Amino acid sequence: GQQVMQIPQYQHVQEGEDFTTYCNSSTTLSNIQWYKQRPGGHPVFLIQLVKSGEVKKQKRLTFQFGEAKKNSSLHITATQTTDVGTYFCAPGGTSYGKLTFGQGTILTVHP
Amino acid sequence: SQTIHQWPATLVQPVGSPLSLECTVEGTSNPNLYWYRQAAGRGLQLLFYSVGIGQISSEVPQNLSASRPQDRQFILSSKKLLLSDSGFYLCAWRLKGASTGELFFGEGSRLTVL
Repeated sequence: GQQVMQIPQYQHVQEGEDFTTYCNSSTTLSNIQWYKQRPGGHPVFLIQLVKSGEVKKQKRLTFQFGEAKKNSSLHITATQTTDVGTYFCAPGGTSYGKLTFGQGTILTVHP
Repeated sequence: SQTIHQWPATLVQPVGSPLSLECTVEGTSNPNLYWYRQAAGRGLQLLFYSVGIGQISSEVPQNLSASRPQDRQFILSSKKLLLSDSGFYLCAWRLKGASTGELFFGEGSRLTVL
């Protein structure tokens, strides 16, 4: 499957600070999906981006898909302790719907 | 609405013992099914996927096998567990032909091999 690299691997922030994680591919992606996994939990789908340059917002979360469809980002404004977890990106549009996930970014929010 | 059940939630097994993890999906039919493993709380590795009854594809060579005896049932097995089989096993399903193609995960089975 298509490989993506996520950076950073870890991010510690104070509550109220912003957070951004990046997902980069060396090849053009059909689409990109984002998932969140709370500590001890299972991954939960957040969003799918399909169009070049697409920007989508979910409350304090902003998702972007690059113009070249080779990178994507997730930005959280004014983090809260409920944002703690691991954020994964995964290229979609693959055969049989198989997803190859990035290594994830582990977010810790200090109150 | 669709739900996915996975069990057992936690198990501790000795090296060399067999393994059986089960996953069932309700509220949909003919889904694609997947088994992922997450080691050390980080990346998700796809182990097996299935597009129909009896159809299993393996993504990585390993000590595990999978079966799909019924449309909405997916089983992960091992005849003899290794220490390296420890991890968090996640079953997931996807609706064929769905526009978003999102995966819906079960709550996972945490396996410790001693």
